[in-house]
Amino acid sequence: RKEVEQDPGPFNVPEGATVAFNCTYSNSASQSFFWYRQDCRKEPKLLMSVYSSGNEDGRFTAQLNRASQYISLLIRDSKLSDSATYLCVVEGGATNKLIFGTGTLLAVQP
Amino acid sequence: DAGVIQSPRHEVTEMGQEVTLRCKPISGHDYLFWYRQTMMRGLELLIYFNNNVPIDDSGMPEDRFSAKMPNASFSTLKIQPSEPRDSAVYFCASSSRDQPYNEQFFGPGTRLTVL
Repeated sequence: RKEVEQDPGPFNVPEGATVAFNCTYSNSASQSFFWYRQDCRKEPKLLMSVYSSGNEDGRFTAQLNRASQYISLLIRDSKLSDSATYLCVVEGGATNKLIFGTGTLLAVQP
Repeated sequence: DAGVIQSPRHEVTEMGQEVTLRCKPISGHDYLFWYRQTMMRGLELLIYFNNNVPIDDSGMPEDRFSAKMPNASFSTLKIQPSEPRDSAVYFCASSSRDQPYNEQFFGPGTRLTVL
């Protein structure tokens, strides 16, 4: 089983739509969770961290369910500029390592 | 502020040749990471350093791969001899314990093609 699993997509949605991505992780000792964004042929960049209580940053909401080892990202009112690959990232236990999912591709259509 | 700098940006070589990828982390960062990204396997951690010391090289695929960090501002990833299956984008990233969320900052990557 992969340490971090994501639906690869692609998710094709119209502008203004709400879209949700899900991710599961296998290491129950993981303490920190993130979503990174990667534009086509660019490097990954931190989008937001994920807190147990859930957190929101503008149109983006991240949630964590430790019992189910499940992380989600919700994007409301999708923009064309949201088109990218979204990487679910889990800190690997007691180390400083980040384990990346293979990413979910989002294409927002005009 | 300069971000993470990688060179070369693109490398095309023939099977059997030695390849050296270079990375300059963000000044003041004490962690440096080397990743490889392919369509099939996504982003894989190869090795990481803390204060120039290799901490975990369990992701290095085989003995053909080696990495060094002779000082806080420079690291190399070497492949010798290279094989077509090494074709990928290689990213270097750096981070600091002082950064919120231990955020990792990635360089632009080196796109390696081995013919």
